[in-house]
This record gives sequence, structure tokens and C-alpha cells, in this order.
Amino acid sequence: GAVVSQHPSRVICKSGTSVKIECRSLDFQATTMFWYRQFPKQSLMLMATSNEGSKATYEQGVEKDKFLINHASLTLSTLTVTSAHPEDSSFYICSARGAGTGNTEAFFGQGTRLTVV
Amino acid sequence: GESVGLHLPTLSVQEGDNSIINCAYSNSASDYFIWYKQESGKGPQFIIDIRSNMDKRQGQRVTVLLNKTVKHLSLQIAATQPGDSAVYFCAETPNTGGFKTIFGAGTRLFVKA
Repeated sequence: GAVVSQHPSRVICKSGTSVKIECRSLDFQATTMFWYRQFPKQSLMLMATSNEGSKATYEQGVEKDKFLINHASLTLSTLTVTSAHPEDSSFYICSARGAGTGNTEAFFGQGTRLTVV
Repeated sequence: GESVGLHLPTLSVQEGDNSIINCAYSNSASDYFIWYKQESGKGPQFIIDIRSNMDKRQGQRVTVLLNKTVKHLSLQIAATQPGDSAVYFCAETPNTGGFKTIFGAGTRLFVKA
């Protein structure tokens, strides 16, 4: 299957700082990428849909000014957690679907463990 | 978010036995369903998928059953192995709204040697 890579895999930051997480589709072009958050022993919660060249669509209850998403190219989307607080500590996962593939399998990254201290 | 994931039910099986993991989905507009396996600290790994025009699909050691009438999915794992121990999620993709993949609650599978 296609490969989606996230970077970094782990990050620790101080409270009040911002952290950027990258999601790359390595061998395909992705017009749409998705960002999820997963707390311990819970399911993946969709945060937002990232569309190349346009604004992201956020799920209800997700603060768009806190979780900035940029999808500037067909192979890269970034999620920036701004002014991070300990409650933002979580496992962040992205997925991507190939351009023009419709309702088909989305490929997932390996996740980023964010710890805010 | 749309998914529900407050608790993780647990299924414990003996190595070599068959496992059945169940899932209820919520959106009648969903026409594509996937089972994922997630190991600790990793992203979800695709296992098998099924479309709404089917009620059964088989892979290697795995079978997915879809009952659209009651919006129910199941994953059957034959001859369960210790390496199958993980959390399993069903996911649905409604055929609207950008094909977002929405995850179910998940089930933790323990395989006893």
C-alpha cells in the first residue's frame, strides 16, 4: 500500500509553546489529508479535513485557531498545535487518500506522540 | 468529532481459537467499511475492507461480515496468534462530506499462549 510518513514520531514541548507536526504522502499525491487525535485507551477522533490549496474543515468542537492546518502541496500537510497546554498531550495521527480515488482506503501515518510539560 | 471512543472492551482468546470482534456503525450513508489493527504507539494498520453491496469478504485468516439492516460489522480472525494481540477498530466512510473515515470504539484483543 501507499506510504504516509509523520514527523516527528515523538515530541516534548513546554507549555505555551507551539509544535508543528508534518504528514507526508511519500509515493502518491494526496488532495485530502485527515488529522486525528487519540487519547489513551480511546478511539481516534477526527479533528479536521485538510484540503490541498484551501482551508481545512474542522470537526465540531475543534478549535481552528489552536490547531492550525496547512496543506500547501499535494504531498504535505502540517498540523501546528499553538500555545500548547498539558491537556493537548495526545497521540496525533494523519491519514491521506490518493487524488481522485473517491471513497477508498485512506493510508495512515505512524502517529506523533505529543507531550506538553 | 463524530466517533465514539470512551471505553475499550476487551476480548481474551486462547491461541489457536477463532476470534470474533463486533462493531456497530452509525451512518446509513456509509458505503465503505474498514477494519484496522493498532498496536501500541503505532498508527492504524489496514486489515480488510468491504463495500455496502457485499455482506461478506474474506482475506488471509480474516473475514468481515456486514449486516446493513442492523448496521453491524464483525471481524473474524481464524486460528488467532499472539501477534494478533492489538486493538481493533472498525471504521466507516460515509459517501458524503469528503469521505471522512470515522472510527468506532475499538476492541482490545488479548491472545493467551
